[in-house]
Amino acid sequence: DVVLTQSPLSLSVTLGQPASISCRSSQSLVYSDGNTYLNWFHQRPGQSPRRLIYNFSNRDSGVPDRFSGSGSGTEFTLKISRVEAEDVGVYYCMQGKYWGSLTFGGGTKVEIK
Amino acid sequence: QVQLVQSGAEVKKPGASVKVSCKTSGYTSTNYAIYWVRQAPGQRLEWMGWIHAGNGNTKYSQKFQDRVTITRDTSASTAYMQLRSLRSEDTALYYCARGPGSGIDFWGQGTLVTVSS
Repeated sequence: DVVLTQSPLSLSVTLGQPASISCRSSQSLVYSDGNTYLNWFHQRPGQSPRRLIYNFSNRDSGVPDRFSGSGSGTEFTLKISRVEAEDVGVYYCMQGKYWGSLTFGGGTKVEIK
Repeated sequence: QVQLVQSGAEVKKPGASVKVSCKTSGYTSTNYAIYWVRQAPGQRLEWMGWIHAGNGNTKYSQKFQDRVTITRDTSASTAYMQLRSLRSEDTALYYCARGPGSGIDFWGQGTLVTVSS
């Protein structure tokens, strides 16, 4: 199975400051169709995960443009340009290349300093 | 809008089975798969299996394949996940989620299953 390693485990950020989360894959997530199937989810306390980014850099509908995804192959980053109070929670990366056997990163907890 | 609505919380004794439902709406269900993912306390999200709502094909994680069965009722736009031989370590939140062929996009609200004697 593909292993996804996220870092850091937790992040304490001042409101208005940027934040960055890394996700490293044990295998390339570039599929034969040329797409890179790495997704980012945000889970607020007591809620289901919500997808923010698909295909490593595409924002889902309704996701603020302060969220951006970047990377290639096996190394990916989620950036929040200016953290707001509603951004607290846990962020997960997930690979969809091997969609028959999904795997998730361990999660990064974001809190406000 | 896309919605996945799951059945309510369950409390089961060790050795029992649980069946969780996931009713979908807002899209053509037969065009997508439904994944089941669990979130145990302090653990990462864990894929259990999926079913293609159209053709009924299934695939299970090796970890659960001896104990889990995923089915669907296309007329009711509902998928089901049954987990047998429950043990205390199965206490978790169980999610269904829609799979568009490149992972997961929309999630259900989750169903808490508690296994306790």
